Amino acid sequence: GQQLNQSPQSMFIQEGEDVSMNCTSSSIFNTWLWYKQDPGEGPVLLIALYKAGELTSNGRLTAQFGITRKDSFLNISASIPSDVGIYFCAGMDSARQLTFGSGTQLTVLP
Amino acid sequence: DVKVTQSSRYLVKRTGEKVFLECVQDMDHENMFWYRQDPGLGLRLIYFSYDVKMKEKGDIPEGYSVSREKKERFSLILESASTNQTSMYLCASSSPRDRGMEKLFFGSGTQLSVL
Repeated sequence: GQQLNQSPQSMFIQEGEDVSMNCTSSSIFNTWLWYKQDPGEGPVLLIALYKAGELTSNGRLTAQFGITRKDSFLNISASIPSDVGIYFCAGMDSARQLTFGSGTQLTVLP
Repeated sequence: DVKVTQSSRYLVKRTGEKVFLECVQDMDHENMFWYRQDPGLGLRLIYFSYDVKMKEKGDIPEGYSVSREKKERFSLILESASTNQTSMYLCASSSPRDRGMEKLFFGSGTQLSVL
């Protein structure tokens, strides 16, 4: 299957700091998504992006669909303790197959 | 509250045992999926189903089979469990309608340990 390179693999940040993570691919995707997995739970959809260049916000979260359609970025502003978890990017191709990144483990220190 | 329910949170099995992981969704979704999650490898698709009695192999189907006899239920079967199948297993469902396919609803996962 296709592969997504998600980075960083893990992050340790202080409460109140901003966070950035990204995903890149050698293939074009028609849809980019970001999911969050809280400890002990399944992933939950945060943001879905459908057009190249699209910038979408969900509260303190902002995600962008890269112009080349081969990358996406997620930013979290003013992090809080409940932001802890694993963040996954996912891309959907023209065959409507979904590929997930390897995840970014976020730890927020008080 | 819409839900995907996985029958067990933790399972411990012996090598060679037949293992059944059950998943039920109450959203009337046509699509159901089984993923396994391993540290550093993300979510890898094992099998999926777009309709009752229909199944398709995902990226890592070896050693697994599935059953979908009813729309709401999707079972993952390990015919003869091996230690390399120790993992977190996640079930998910989605709607095939426009902009629904990619919006997966996940269960809480089953942590399987094979000894």
